Amino acid sequence: AQKVTQAQTEISVVEKEDVTLDCVYETRDTTYYLFWYKQPPSGELVFLIRRNSFDEQNEISGRYSWNFQKSTSSFNFTITASQVVDSAVYFCALSGPYGGGGADGLTFGKGTHLIIQP
Amino acid sequence: KAGVTQTPRYLIKTRGQQVTLSCSPISGHRSVSWYQQTPGQGLQFLFEYFSETQRNKGNFPGRFSGRQFSNSRSEMNVSTLELGDSALYLCASSISATNTDTQYFGPGTRLTVL
Repeated sequence: AQKVTQAQTEISVVEKEDVTLDCVYETRDTTYYLFWYKQPPSGELVFLIRRNSFDEQNEISGRYSWNFQKSTSSFNFTITASQVVDSAVYFCALSGPYGGGGADGLTFGKGTHLIIQP
Repeated sequence: KAGVTQTPRYLIKTRGQQVTLSCSPISGHRSVSWYQQTPGQGLQFLFEYFSETQRNKGNFPGRFSGRQFSNSRSEMNVSTLELGDSALYLCASSISATNTDTQYFGPGTRLTVL
């Protein structure tokens, strides 16, 4: 069975601080995919990133960066110089070999509520 | 390109009633998945459809069902509603069954059961 753990229920920081959201996963699949989604108050889940289990390269996209480490089964997400607009609930998710293309279904963590204070 | 659309956005029903929710995927997307989001259980996979066939189903009772039409639009139905069915129901679409595609989510339908 797959499992995703986001131990941080809520994080509150002051604007411009860097913040890291933790994600630890469990799976028996050798091929799997990891995702991060953002859910603003409007409710829609916004896709941020997808990584497959064979690609451990860290990725940076603007103020966002992701650190994937298979050795510790972690896929952490860092926001640099946070802004008030980053306030949302962030979900880490895991899928099997089909890459979240639908057949597997995504297994989500409970989410981390990030509050950026001005 | 228009995103995933879901109707209605809000719905209030009473226990014992049934409800049908609708999802229109992104144009060209053939896979549609449904998820239930509650404060207690979080986001849980309901089922997935591709080419009008249900390929996978999460751990939900038979009161939850769905279907997909030839134009890839999908509906989900919940019969004999219970208070615990109050949730945000999210639909997601992706391009195909075989590609390792990302699921894109709609805004959700918030169902309240009284």
